[in-house]
Amino acid sequence: EDQVTQSPEALRLQEGESSSLNCSYTVSGLRGLFWYRQDPGKGPEFLFTLYSAGEEKEKERLKATLTKKESFLHITAPKPEDSATYLCAVHAGGTSYGKLTFGQGTILTVHP
Amino acid sequence: GAGVSQSPSNKVTEKGKDVELRCDPISGHTALYWYRQRLGQGLEFLIYFQGNSAPDKSGLPSDRFSAERTGESVSTLTIQRTQQEDSAVYLCASSLVGIGTQYFGPGTRLLVL
Repeated sequence: EDQVTQSPEALRLQEGESSSLNCSYTVSGLRGLFWYRQDPGKGPEFLFTLYSAGEEKEKERLKATLTKKESFLHITAPKPEDSATYLCAVHAGGTSYGKLTFGQGTILTVHP
Repeated sequence: GAGVSQSPSNKVTEKGKDVELRCDPISGHTALYWYRQRLGQGLEFLIYFQGNSAPDKSGLPSDRFSAERTGESVSTLTIQRTQQEDSAVYLCASSLVGIGTQYFGPGTRLLVL
């Protein structure tokens, strides 16, 4: 069974204090790993897709990396507006072709 | 362009009643997905439609849940004889193709009293 585990569950940072969120996965044939941001009361907002180990993607203060077992979302010099829940999901091979398997998310709070 | 839209945004119902939730995907997207998000938990896959293929219903939690999609447009998720444990946010997503990036709507918040 495909599994996705995110850590930490919650992270509090001071503005400008860089850190990383972790997403560990166990899947049968990774087709893609996705990062989403979710603000309270809203649907997940797409950030990145990573397809193969060694791949990296960047957007503003965020950088996502991928290895064969985990992905990291690095946040450089965060601002209070980066506060949100960050979700990691995997798209795996197998019988449930279209399904994404999500982790529980990391709640990020950035204090000014 | 317009994103995924869902209606209603909020629904309060009594235990035992049936509810219908609607999703309008992004125009041109062939794949459509329904997920459930319980309070403080991750998203749980329910069902997936891809073009004219038979839907993947492997995530539906019971036979009280069903979904339909008309062609490559609107989808409705129906929950019959609602129970309190059905209270959750129901999220719809669409993608250009079956293995493409999924874009989510704002969700329908369902509360069963």
